[in-house]
Amino acid sequence: GAGVSQSPSNKVTEKGKDVELRCDPISGHTALYWYRQSLGQGLEFLIYFQGNSAPDKSGLPSDRFSAERTGGSVSTLTIQRTQQEDSAVYLCASSPVYSGVYNEQFFGPGTRLTVL
Amino acid sequence: GESVGLHLPTLSVQEGDNSIINCAYSNSASDYFIWYKQESGKGPQFIIDIRSNMDKRQGQRVTVLLNKTVKHLSLQIAATQPGDSAVYFCAENLGDSWGKLQFGAGTQVVVTP
Repeated sequence: GAGVSQSPSNKVTEKGKDVELRCDPISGHTALYWYRQSLGQGLEFLIYFQGNSAPDKSGLPSDRFSAERTGGSVSTLTIQRTQQEDSAVYLCASSPVYSGVYNEQFFGPGTRLTVL
Repeated sequence: GESVGLHLPTLSVQEGDNSIINCAYSNSASDYFIWYKQESGKGPQFIIDIRSNMDKRQGQRVTVLLNKTVKHLSLQIAATQPGDSAVYFCAENLGDSWGKLQFGAGTQVVVTP
């Protein structure tokens, strides 16, 4: 079966431009997560969705970052007025939910964002 | 703030030997821990997880040990193979937000022939 997919795989943009990153979770996974990974670093939590709602947005670095999820499936992460410090790999993960118990998060390959 | 940390940033292991990767955590409220493997250019791949009501869990060639007394987590890889070369991350669920994992900085494992 298909895993988590993300698009684009690479994105190069100019400082000040807006970008949209897309995540297609595994079918049937109700939870979806966004992380950011800077070069040689661990993963930084950004936001997670339970269905279409986002109970925890605490990891979003600034108000330039936003995310939405529609139909309990696809999610988009939008970064407005990109800055050079936004350059990183943005990873999406999804997981099934069984009675609210934590479960394994399945990761996509990531989108490498480079802001010039 | 409280965080997950790794003792060794780089671990060099001879092929066929056993590997042990260590991880310290400081949040006593964490009740779920997970190990991921990340190869260059790829997303993290699940290895094994453990809940706080257990102290040991075994998978295929891997064992995770959890010592809640000293807040220590370890991953043991038996008979390390070249394909095990990767960065390994431990992560914890802090218990304060469902689904939110906090990752450590990672350990680079290099398998030598």
